[in-house]
Amino acid sequence: SAVISQKPSRDICQRGTSLTIQCQVDSQVTMMFWYRQQPGQSLTLIATANQGSEATYESGFVIDKFPISRPNLTFSTLTVSNMSPEDSSIYLCSVEYRQGRQTQYFGPGTRLLVL
Amino acid sequence: AQSVTQLDSQVPVFEEAPVELRCNYSSSVSVYLFWYVQYPNQGLQLLLKYLSGSTLVKGINGFEAEFNKSQTSFHLRKPSVHISDTAEYFCAVSDTGGFKTIFGAGTRLFVKA
Repeated sequence: SAVISQKPSRDICQRGTSLTIQCQVDSQVTMMFWYRQQPGQSLTLIATANQGSEATYESGFVIDKFPISRPNLTFSTLTVSNMSPEDSSIYLCSVEYRQGRQTQYFGPGTRLLVL
Repeated sequence: AQSVTQLDSQVPVFEEAPVELRCNYSSSVSVYLFWYVQYPNQGLQLLLKYLSGSTLVKGINGFEAEFNKSQTSFHLRKPSVHISDTAEYFCAVSDTGGFKTIFGAGTRLFVKA
């Protein structure tokens, strides 16, 4: 299985500020994803982080609010911009292996509280 | 488009009792099916997955699930639960050709002594 780390593990931020979350994987992966898990709810896919090109966003999520970078096959960042209390959530990085494994692995998550 | 329905939001059960967490999905194409567990304040961990072959899938921690194509279900079972099984359980589906995984709303399993 993949070893995925996320930084920071948690943060408390003021509204109107931005936070960048980092995701590091211990091996090269094709697919990387960012999810949001709001309190007491399931996971919602924000976007697919594409290496070398712009991320692919799901309905309801836009690049200006959640810019994503993926400079190589082991690293990605998600920025939550101009935060409001509604952005308080757990943000999860996930990777998927293809070629026979077809399984997603998740990072430990970043717990964000916006005041 | 796929969707996943977890029929129970919460399942309380006594320790050492059997448990079944229900999951139904809808899809017009072939799917892969997954169960993930999320312990308090932790990330998601894969319990088991169905890709192809035998419809009865065994996972970690004594859990198993059965894929029923005619009923479009993938229910999770354990014959005897422990206090440590208290967690949130998510059923998920992805189509065999695409990249997105759709998650159900989750079922909170609460094991009582």
